Amino acid sequence: GENVEQHPSTLSVQEGDSAVIKCTYSDSASNYFPWYKQELGKRPQLIIDIRSNVGEKKDQRIAVTLNKTAKHFSLHITETQPEDSAVYFCAPNNYGQNFVFGPGTRLSVLP
Amino acid sequence: ETGVTQSPTHLIKTRGQQVTLRCSSQSGHNTVSWYQQALGQGPQFIFQYYREEENGRGNFPPRFSGLQFPNYSSELNVNALELDDSALYLCASSLVGVSNTGELFFGEGSRLTVL
Repeated sequence: GENVEQHPSTLSVQEGDSAVIKCTYSDSASNYFPWYKQELGKRPQLIIDIRSNVGEKKDQRIAVTLNKTAKHFSLHITETQPEDSAVYFCAPNNYGQNFVFGPGTRLSVLP
Repeated sequence: ETGVTQSPTHLIKTRGQQVTLRCSSQSGHNTVSWYQQALGQGPQFIFQYYREEENGRGNFPPRFSGLQFPNYSSELNVNALELDDSALYLCASSLVGVSNTGELFFGEGSRLTVL
């Protein structure tokens, strides 16, 4: 089965700085690479995703980059704000089925 | 609002009992999956149902079972509860098919405490 790791497990940045979270996976059949954000006490929500035929995708302050050869993809958040503080999970999978979530990265944005 | 609703939101059971958790999928979705999220950890995939058939299962014992109904709502049943079953149980619906986006829409979860 898919083995998913995230680094770092915790990350503290000053407001306005950038944050990068890396996700590595083992299943070469994975072709869909989403990132979910879970605020304290709330449900996980998709913030950005990318498919295997694309190397990079950007949505305002958030971007995802994919290196399918090396089997990793990364979440980039620029100009961080306090509301970005949350736990972020990657969940690489095959055609949107049988998601395997990473262990999570806790991001703290310090004012 | 994602449209995915779960019930009950909180419940307390004792070891050895059985529990049924319910989920109503978002309108138009044909797939439902269930996850167990222990405190401070990521969601762990339990199983997935597509058109009323289980089509994927994670590393959970057979005492975890489920159903998907024709209206795409779903149940998660756990028999012979153990203390380690205490967790937040999340249901997620999605649209799987030719034009699927792959996005999971989660409910708020059911928090189970086993004493």
